[in-house]
Amino acid sequence: EVQLVESGGGLVNPGGSLRLSCAASGFTFSSYGMSWVRLAPGKGLEWVSSIDRSSSEIYYADSMKGRFTISRDNGKKSLYLQMSSLRAEDTAVYYCARDYSGYLVFDYWGQGALVTVSS
Amino acid sequence: FMLTQPHSVSEAPGKTVTISCTGSRDSIAGNYVQWYQKRPGSAPTTVIYENDQRPSGVPDRFSGSIDFSSGSASLTISGLKTEDEADYYCQSYDRTSHGGVFGGGTKLTVL
Repeated sequence: EVQLVESGGGLVNPGGSLRLSCAASGFTFSSYGMSWVRLAPGKGLEWVSSIDRSSSEIYYADSMKGRFTISRDNGKKSLYLQMSSLRAEDTAVYYCARDYSGYLVFDYWGQGALVTVSS
Repeated sequence: FMLTQPHSVSEAPGKTVTISCTGSRDSIAGNYVQWYQKRPGSAPTTVIYENDQRPSGVPDRFSGSIDFSSGSASLTISGLKTEDEADYYCQSYDRTSHGGVFGGGTKLTVL
């Protein structure tokens, strides 16, 4: 059974940093691209960042460039999102999602990690 | 590019509803469209992928289609059940930015 379990969410001050993790199981992690998608309160789903199987292709949404860093450890079957210079508008539930095709076709999602940016 | 969805739709149990997702003709024609269901407090789930493919476990009451001439995608849910009440998002891939693009979401009310 495919499982994606996020961790690392929490309350952080504006300007602060936080690192999210996504532990994968039930599939060959190194064979799939992965992404982070977020859902802010009262807003819709928003793609955040994606990374291919070998970490050779990495992309970010414009508002996250320079502040967020996606990475993965295939040996540990884990995906990460390092977030810095956090703003109130980054408050959201962050989901990791498996990319079925390499073209951001998401077939499995984690339960999400809540990030709250507030003083 | 952008994907535009109606903010909300409503229909009675047992009926059929169609949710539209409109993009530019090039965006819809050149990339697959997915549909995700998002219930409050739950993770998103995929109900349609690659325009019209249904993941295992998704009832055949859910179907997807593309109108290439108008640059729009549609999600149709037949035999509506109260459990179908959720937000539905269309999504595609922007080959220029290599990023994901989501529609704004449609709140489906089954009343």
